[in-house]
Amino acid sequence: SAVISQKPSRDICQRGTSLTIQCQVDSQVTMMFWYRQQPGQSLTLIATANQGSEATYESGFVIDKFPISRPNLTFSTLTVSNMSPEDSSIYLCSVDRGLAGGDEQFFGPGTRLTVL
Amino acid sequence: QKEVEQDPGPLSVPEGAIVSLNCTYSNSAFQYFMWYRQYSRKGPELLMYTYSSGNKEDGRFTAQVDKSSKYISLFIRDSQPSDSATYLCAMSAGGAQKLVFGQGTRLTINP
Repeated sequence: SAVISQKPSRDICQRGTSLTIQCQVDSQVTMMFWYRQQPGQSLTLIATANQGSEATYESGFVIDKFPISRPNLTFSTLTVSNMSPEDSSIYLCSVDRGLAGGDEQFFGPGTRLTVL
Repeated sequence: QKEVEQDPGPLSVPEGAIVSLNCTYSNSAFQYFMWYRQYSRKGPELLMYTYSSGNKEDGRFTAQVDKSSKYISLFIRDSQPSDSATYLCAMSAGGAQKLVFGQGTRLTINP
């Protein structure tokens, strides 16, 4: 499986600011995904990031709040904009199996965000 | 009704016991079924991946899928304290359709 890293691993931010989270994979993958996991809850998909096209957002998530970049097949960023305490959560990126195909996803270690 | 239902627990069992974790679902289009293990403050780790109905075994772990009942299970034999984690089921219809996750079951194995 792919090795996935995320930066930062955690951060504490002030209300109204923005934070950009980076996701780096050690191999080329087709699809990269961004999830949110609130305390004690399951994973909620924010958006799917494809290289060379606009990200696809799930219901309830908008580009102005969560802009995503996907400049190549091994890297993506998620920005959490104009943050409020309700954005405090763990943000996870995941990837598919790339050229090997398959529907399973592999997850990064997550970014723990606290907004004051 | 949620697409995927999973009892959140918590579930606490003694070391060595057989653990059964379950999910039910409502979408008959789901064909790919996964179990993830998530330790505290870590990302989910893929444990088992199965396609359609049937059983799959990997060491102490067995995944079962019963599509006729829309029911999947994960069995852990000879459970160890290191198995203490949250277990999430996930499923998709395939064809780059998104994964739908259960709520997760928090499991504790007591020495």
